[in-house]
Amino acid sequence: DADVTQTPRNRITKTGKRIMLECSQTKGHDRMYWYRQDPGLGLRLIYYSFDVKDINKGEISDGYSVSRQAQAKFSLSLESAIPNQTALYFCATSDLGTSGSTDTQYFGPGTRLTVL
Amino acid sequence: DQQVKQNSPSLSVQEGRISILNCDYTNSMFDYFLWYKKYPAEGPTFLISISSIKDKNEDGRFTVFLNKSAKHLSLHIVPSQPGDSAVYFCAARDDNNAGNMLTFGGGTRLMVKP
Repeated sequence: DADVTQTPRNRITKTGKRIMLECSQTKGHDRMYWYRQDPGLGLRLIYYSFDVKDINKGEISDGYSVSRQAQAKFSLSLESAIPNQTALYFCATSDLGTSGSTDTQYFGPGTRLTVL
Repeated sequence: DQQVKQNSPSLSVQEGRISILNCDYTNSMFDYFLWYKKYPAEGPTFLISISSIKDKNEDGRFTVFLNKSAKHLSLHIVPSQPGDSAVYFCAARDDNNAGNMLTFGGGTRLMVKP
């Protein structure tokens, strides 16, 4: 079984709709992240959470919100989807590595979202 | 402006030859660098990393070189195999900064021809 799972894997929606992408992990990591990938821009951080009570904005948080329901679950919401949010979305997890730095990040398989 | 750049969007190499993927960064505070590999329909997976206190790290067929003065790193794959065909992302972080977030480059698509 995959350590980091994302649902749905594909979603097509219309402008203005509310969308939730879900992420679950069985790695027991405290830290979870949401990224979006666009061609040529790599992965950009949307939000991250270091534990259940900790939520932080990333580089491109406008238009998104998140919820950390439990250590293992981190969901991303688009309150009112717009076409330029069409992208590949990845969830990732990491543990706290040595010297206080985050360890390697482990990614889910991604959700391909299309907003028409 | 992107702080981490991979200027070659794609690279084609013959099987058995060396693949060299390049990455440049602008933030001098970055002190840890990673390479991730991504196959279609899968998430990125960690490949190899290097700390700024080193200039080379090797793991099997994969070697990462870091030139701090030039703010440049490269990933060498020798010998290249068709299974290495994937998108490779360079990433960097500042370990002295709270949060230690990764900043990714735009990726390079490597195609290894049999």
